[in-house]
Amino acid sequence: AQSVTQLGSHVSVSEGALVLLRCNYSSSVPPYLFWYVQYPNQGLQLLLKYTSAATLVKGINGFEAEFKKSETSFHLTKPSAHMSDAAEYFCAVSDKVGFQKLVFGTGTRLLVSP
Amino acid sequence: EAGVTQFPSHSVIEKGQTVTLRCDPISGHDNLYWYRRVMGKEIKFLLHFVKESKQDESGMPNNRFLAERTGGTYSTLKVQPAELEDSGVYFCASSQDGGISTDTQYFGPGTRLTVL
Repeated sequence: AQSVTQLGSHVSVSEGALVLLRCNYSSSVPPYLFWYVQYPNQGLQLLLKYTSAATLVKGINGFEAEFKKSETSFHLTKPSAHMSDAAEYFCAVSDKVGFQKLVFGTGTRLLVSP
Repeated sequence: EAGVTQFPSHSVIEKGQTVTLRCDPISGHDNLYWYRRVMGKEIKFLLHFVKESKQDESGMPNNRFLAERTGGTYSTLKVQPAELEDSGVYFCASSQDGGISTDTQYFGPGTRLTVL
């Protein structure tokens, strides 16, 4: 069975600092990987996804993630945090075979201080 | 283009009562998904419709939950009778393509259900 582990339920950074949100996955087959963000009172929004093309994936709002098979990781980064990045971030995995069924991690809340 | 909408945004009910949640997907999206997040835990898959047919309902917790998608448009998720452990946020999502693994799912804002 597939699973996702997100280390740290809360991550605090200062505005302008590097953002690093960790995600490790477990899958018996090569997976597809996703990062979603949820702003207050909104639905989840796709930030980026890895679908077996380039291992470094660029997403919206300056975020990117790198798929590392040897480490079974898909960490999300942004060079410089902005106040508007404060939100909850979810990593998810999906099996390549058949219909999509996302398996999510528990989420990481990003706090950005001035 | 309107996004995925869900109604109500919040619902507070007593244990044993019935509640019906509604989801309107993005127009033209054949795939509709329901997920649930119990407080502090991960978002879990409940089921997947392709048009009006249930493609996968492996995540439905038990037979107190009934999902329908009449006519392949909006969907309802009924909980009857509700139990305390049903409390959580229920998300609906839709996708346009074949429901395959590379799809982008578009999520609604969720319905927060509280069972007292």
